[in-house]
Amino acid sequence: AQSVAQPEDQVNVAEGNPLTVKCTYSVSGNPYLFWYVQYPNRGLQFLLKYITGDNLVKGSYGFEAEFNKSQTSFHLKKPSALVSDSALYFCAVRDGGRSSASKIIFGSGTRLSIRP
Amino acid sequence: DAGITQSPRHKVTETGTPVTLRCHQTENHRYMYWYRQDPGHGLRLIHYSYGVKDTDKGEVSDGYSVSRSKTEDFLLTLESATSSQTSVYFCAISGGESYNEQFFGPGTRLTVL
Repeated sequence: AQSVAQPEDQVNVAEGNPLTVKCTYSVSGNPYLFWYVQYPNRGLQFLLKYITGDNLVKGSYGFEAEFNKSQTSFHLKKPSALVSDSALYFCAVRDGGRSSASKIIFGSGTRLSIRP
Repeated sequence: DAGITQSPRHKVTETGTPVTLRCHQTENHRYMYWYRQDPGHGLRLIHYSYGVKDTDKGEVSDGYSVSRSKTEDFLLTLESATSSQTSVYFCAISGGESYNEQFFGPGTRLTVL
């Protein structure tokens, strides 16, 4: 069975500092990994994905994520945080070895708070 | 929100009443999904569809049914609403050139009294 864990409910960072939001996963086949962001009273917005290729994936709003197969991790990073990055972030995983209809499993979310 | 609308956006209803939520897409994507979002649980899949009249259960399907008679519409029905179904419901779609990732609607906030 596939699963994803976000070990931190909340991450607090000062504006201008680098940020990391952690994610680890478990899947039997090749992992397809995703990060989404949710602003208040909005749906989830797709940030980036890893399917294959370069382990460092770049996405929207200056975010990037690093796929680490040995540690089964897919941490979200940004070199310099902005107050506007404050939101709820979700990591998600799908088993790439299954059909396109196979389900995406979401983590419980990490609230990122950037202080001015 | 990627050509996805949900209606209604807010609803308050009473225990035991039927409720139907609608998801409408203009992207002509094959796959559609219904999730519920609750604090501490992230998003949990209720049902999904991989084509017209083709649906399957997700991890929290009890008490919910779905129908998809047209590519663009995916309906979620609570036959007899309970207070435990108070939640925010999101529809998502995937398909086309971006079939791996899902795109989400704005959500429906449902309160069952």
